[in-house]
Amino acid sequence: GAVVSQHPSWVICKSGTSVKIECRSLDFQATTMFWYRQFPKQSLMLMATSNEGSKATYEQGVEKDKFLINHASLTLSTLTVTSAHPEDSSFYICSARGSQGSFYEQYFGPGTRLTVT
Amino acid sequence: AQSVTQPDIHITVSEGASLELRCNYSYGATPYLFWYVQSPGQGLQLLLKYFSGDTLVQGIKGFEAEFKRSQSSFNLRKPSVHWSDAAEYFCAVGAQNQGGKLIFGQGTELSVKP
Repeated sequence: GAVVSQHPSWVICKSGTSVKIECRSLDFQATTMFWYRQFPKQSLMLMATSNEGSKATYEQGVEKDKFLINHASLTLSTLTVTSAHPEDSSFYICSARGSQGSFYEQYFGPGTRLTVT
Repeated sequence: AQSVTQPDIHITVSEGASLELRCNYSYGATPYLFWYVQSPGQGLQLLLKYFSGDTLVQGIKGFEAEFKRSQSSFNLRKPSVHWSDAAEYFCAVGAQNQGGKLIFGQGTELSVKP
């Protein structure tokens, strides 16, 4: 149980275009979803926290107009990178937390590799 | 501020040898502690967690970790490493009063020699 999927697993887009990444909880209802960014050989950097039906809370330094997060249902959150630039190339990982279990227990998706050319 | 430190960026062990990955945290109350493993290009898989109770925690894949409050440590151990254990390992602590956020250490890359 507690499976989280991400789609796509990798995406290449041209500079200036937008790309959407989906994060789904497959077998539980995710009241909260987290979006992380990871650079090569580095740790995870939390970008934002989203609660179902509410606006996302962004971490300091993360541009909310560039990284649009929508958590419209208890099983789906999306991250849209708008007007992507090469510096947005990274590995994006989502995680989800349900109403059951520990407040701190997150289940992670497999990640999405974004390359902006 | 809360923090998690993994002092070793990279560790190499021989297959069959024992392993200990270090994790130190700064936290005032009883922490919620986690160890995750990440294979290249993959997401994070939970190895084990500590919330309370027995300070020696058993996890998946033969891993265990011991919570030592006096040392603010939560080191990960495995008695005999397999080549498939080569990966990146992250220690994390639940951030207090921050909506369930996790604070991650910098990670330790484990290489396994044949």
